[in-house]
This record gives sequence, structure tokens and C-alpha cells, in this order.
Amino acid sequence: DVKVTQSSRYLVKRTGEKVFLECVQDMDHENMFWYRQDPGLGLRLIYFSYDVKMKEKGDIPEGYSVSREKKERFSLILESASTNQTSMYLCASSPTGDTEAFFGQGTRLTVV
Amino acid sequence: QKEVEQNSGPLSVPEGAIASLNCTYSDRGSQSFFWYRQYSGKSPELIMFIYSNGDKEDGRFTAQLNKASQYVSLLIRDSQPSDSATYLCAADWGGNMLTFGGGTRLMVKP
Repeated sequence: DVKVTQSSRYLVKRTGEKVFLECVQDMDHENMFWYRQDPGLGLRLIYFSYDVKMKEKGDIPEGYSVSREKKERFSLILESASTNQTSMYLCASSPTGDTEAFFGQGTRLTVV
Repeated sequence: QKEVEQNSGPLSVPEGAIASLNCTYSDRGSQSFFWYRQYSGKSPELIMFIYSNGDKEDGRFTAQLNKASQYVSLLIRDSQPSDSATYLCAADWGGNMLTFGGGTRLMVKP
């Protein structure tokens, strides 16, 4: 089974902190994604990566950055957390040429 | 702007009935469509995908795609309480990227 693992299920951070959300997949997938999910808004794409050290902005990249130093790991960075970044964050991966995305269990981030 | 629209619901159906979930999309360039199911507090899981006009059946689930009218639907036959979840429609416009709708909450009542 494909496994996408996010480092934390729940996280509480203070405004202004730098926050790292980690995601690891074990299926050698080329593509990795970070989404945030808010009630009524569905999943919105923040960033994605189709190869090591490659990244592309999604629909809502402002306030976020990403890092992909190894194929299996994709990190989402909140440079200076703000309360409007309180959300559920979902990581996903997929192989090239196949759009089926496999999701991690999600990280519920609260910024206070 | 590529958008996927869904009625947020909740859609309430009795056990054993057919649940019909609908989704519209804004751009005719979309290549394929996906239905994900998400239980409360869990991550989305793929139910099925469709890329050709017409119907595609998988067990109790049937996906329907009408590219001329820009809508895609999911029918769930013999609905069970365990089908109660939020159903997310997603469109692929190429580049391995999915755009998701807001989801429809389905409630199946015993």
C-alpha cells in the first residue's frame, strides 16, 4: 500500500513562528503536493513538486514556501505563521502520468 | 480561472436509496475527473475517476461525465449509512494537478 506520512496530526504554534510541516512518501512517486482544506472551500493547492529540488506555485502560495531535497520528502514552511493560516494541511503524492493522488492523514495546524 | 463547483449539502437520503452527487466545472480543457470520499477527520480517498463521456460503473458507484454540459456526477446505489461522508469532485487540467470542489456532505439515514 502507498503510504504518505505527515509528521504531526495536531500542531499549535504562535503568531510569527516559523513552522515546518513534513511529509514522507514510500512509493517513489515523482509528484508531491501540499493542500490546505478549509470548511466550504475544499482543497486548495499551495505548492507542488514534480522532481527533487523542483517546485511550482499552486493557487495560494502566499506566506508559504517548500523544500524538496530528497524524492521521498516534501516540506511545507510557514515563514511567519499568522492566524489566517490556521487550517488542515494535506500532503499528497502521485506517480508521473497518473493523476491519482494519495493523501497523508493531515495536519491540523492552529496558530494562536 | 479553473473552478469546480459542488453543492455543499448536506444531501440526505434514506438507506437503500440512490444518492446523486453533482459537480460542474468551468473549463472545457479538463481532461479527467475524480471522485474522492472523505470521512470526518480523515484524509480523502479515491473512489473512481472518469475521462470519457458517458457512464463508468464500479460496484455500487457510477460516475457520469458530460463534457458538452461540463458536469460530472456520482451515483451511489443502495446507499448505506457507511457511505455518509463528504464527497469531493476534482478535475485534472493536465500537469498532474487536481483542482477540487468544495465537497458535498452526504448523510444516509437508517
